[in-house]
Amino acid sequence: LAKTTQPISMDSYEGQEVNITCSHNNIATNDYITWYQQFPSQGPRFIIQGYKTKVTNEVASLFIPADRKSSTLSLPRVSLSDTAVYYCLVGAGPNNAGNMLTFGGGTRLMVKP
Amino acid sequence: GAVVSQHPSWVICKSGTSVKIECRSLDFQATTMFWYRQFPKQSLMLMATSNEGSKATYEQGVEKDKFLINHASLTLSTLTVTSAHPEDSSFYICSARDLWAASHTDTQYFGPGTRLTVL
Repeated sequence: LAKTTQPISMDSYEGQEVNITCSHNNIATNDYITWYQQFPSQGPRFIIQGYKTKVTNEVASLFIPADRKSSTLSLPRVSLSDTAVYYCLVGAGPNNAGNMLTFGGGTRLMVKP
Repeated sequence: GAVVSQHPSWVICKSGTSVKIECRSLDFQATTMFWYRQFPKQSLMLMATSNEGSKATYEQGVEKDKFLINHASLTLSTLTVTSAHPEDSSFYICSARDLWAASHTDTQYFGPGTRLTVL
């Protein structure tokens, strides 16, 4: 499984756009990129998943360059409730049975008023 | 959306006792469930992969005789921490893969976690 590298922590202010970049130099051809959010004492919550280019949903956007060796999670106009740890994971995609997830260190985002 | 529950949400036990944690997929079937352990301020560490009707696959360094996993049905997996010791105190999280959602992006759903404290 491809290893991921993320910044340990980031600070932001309410209303700002936050971009968290993840490096995954050894990503395999059939690997997808998935981001999860985790609040203290809770299980991770799925945010977004993509394979290439750009994916957008109601909470975030995911930008993936052509070489797929990195990805950037973009959170528009963050609020205090977005303070959490964000994990970038790389692995087999939705059509691969028995897929397991290997969590890296994650990025601890602190949103300040 | 798909929901995974865990029971209990927290448990305190004495050293040497055994504790069972249940993981249930409430509105979908899961042939595969995963068990993770998370220590304070650390990331999730995969302990084992639980497959319905077969033996679990344990990650390197995880004692299979200490952490007993049973996946008796498509909606239930249990993790039993046998002869628990204070160093087993941790946050245990399960996840389940939706059998029929192979074409969906979010096919793995996480439970809320179980906080185990061993005195």
